[in-house]
Amino acid sequence: RKEVEQDPGPFNVPEGATVAFNCTYSNSASQSFFWYRQDCRKEPKLLMSVYSSGNEDGRFTAQLNRASQYISLLIRDSKLSDSATYLCVVAKYSSASKIIFGSGTRLSIRP
Amino acid sequence: EAQVTQNPRYLITVTGKKLTVTCSQNMNHEYMSWYRQDPGLGLRQIYYSMNVEVTDKGDVPEGYKVSRKEKRNFPLILESPSPNQTSLYFCASSVQGTSTDTQYFGPGTRLTVL
Repeated sequence: RKEVEQDPGPFNVPEGATVAFNCTYSNSASQSFFWYRQDCRKEPKLLMSVYSSGNEDGRFTAQLNRASQYISLLIRDSKLSDSATYLCVVAKYSSASKIIFGSGTRLSIRP
Repeated sequence: EAQVTQNPRYLITVTGKKLTVTCSQNMNHEYMSWYRQDPGLGLRQIYYSMNVEVTDKGDVPEGYKVSRKEKRNFPLILESPSPNQTSLYFCASSVQGTSTDTQYFGPGTRLTVL
């Protein structure tokens, strides 16, 4: 079983739709959680960190459920520019040396 | 401009021919790391460095070497490349290497080993 699992998609949704991704992790001692965005064959870039209380950044909302060991990303009012692969990232310990990347969920927004 | 640079961006080589992929960052970051990205497997860490002269193995270090003689540079060395090292490679850096740091990635190096 992978340490961080994501539905690979692709999710194909119309512009303006709301879309949600989940990501599960296996290590209950995991400490830090992130969503990164990766455009086609480009480098990943931090989208947002995920906090225990949940957090929002504009149209994006991230949630953490430690009991069930999953994190989620909700995108409201999706734009064409949101088309990308979204990587779930989990840090197992306090050091960045044990950061685990999920294999990503591909999102395609259609006009 | 704050950035992580990698060279070359694209490389086609043959089995056994030693190669080096350079990585440089201008943000004075202490932590640097190398990842490879393969379809369906996500990014997997090859090596990382917490500071100058301090390096350690990641999850998939076999067939790779690194060095950290200067803070800004972290080259990845393939002494004898094999076809299973064909992949997309990313270098990344962060301020101190804590789990909450943002990772800044280079643009990637697409390597093909024939």
